Amino acid sequence: GAVVSQHPSWVICKSGTSVKIECRSLDFQATTMFWYRQFPKQSLMLMATSNEGSKATYEQGVEKDKFLINHASLTLSTLTVTSAHPEDSSFYICSAPPSLGANTEAFFGQGTRLTVV
Amino acid sequence: GENVEQHPSTLSVQEGDSAVIKCTYSDSASNYFPWYKQELGKGPQLIIDIRSNVGEKKDQRIAVTLNKTAKHFSLHITETQPEDSAVYFCAASPGGGFKTIFGAGTRLFVKA
Repeated sequence: GAVVSQHPSWVICKSGTSVKIECRSLDFQATTMFWYRQFPKQSLMLMATSNEGSKATYEQGVEKDKFLINHASLTLSTLTVTSAHPEDSSFYICSAPPSLGANTEAFFGQGTRLTVV
Repeated sequence: GENVEQHPSTLSVQEGDSAVIKCTYSDSASNYFPWYKQELGKGPQLIIDIRSNVGEKKDQRIAVTLNKTAKHFSLHITETQPEDSAVYFCAASPGGGFKTIFGAGTRLFVKA
């Protein structure tokens, strides 16, 4: 199946700093990628839809100025958590569908565990 | 928007028994229903999926059923093994690269 790679797999940062997470589609082009956040023992909550060459679409309640998304190429989307605080500590996961055809599954990255201290 | 509900939240079975997880969805436009298995510290892995033009699909010990009229779909795992222990998520999507909405997850414990 298609491969989506996420980097880093884990990161620890100090409060107030920014952290960038990368999501790459390794063997296919993805005009759309999705970013999810998962708190411990909870489900994956969609944060935003990343669109290549245009602005991301954020879900209700997600601060677009805090979670900056850039989708500059067909194989890379980045999520930057700006001015991180301990409450931003979570598991962040990206996904990408290999095509925009009907009934298309999305492949998930391995996730990034962010800890803000 | 789409809302997916999943039950039970926790399921404990004896090795060799069957496990059933049920989900409902709200958006009639959804036509793709994947199931994911997530192990601790890892991203979700697709284990089986079903599309709206199919009522049932089976892959070895795993089967999924879909009742589009009732907006219900279920995961069935037969002959469970300890390595089946994980969190399972159902999801719904209108497909076509559109966003996937997840259920709350079911933590499955298979006791040896």
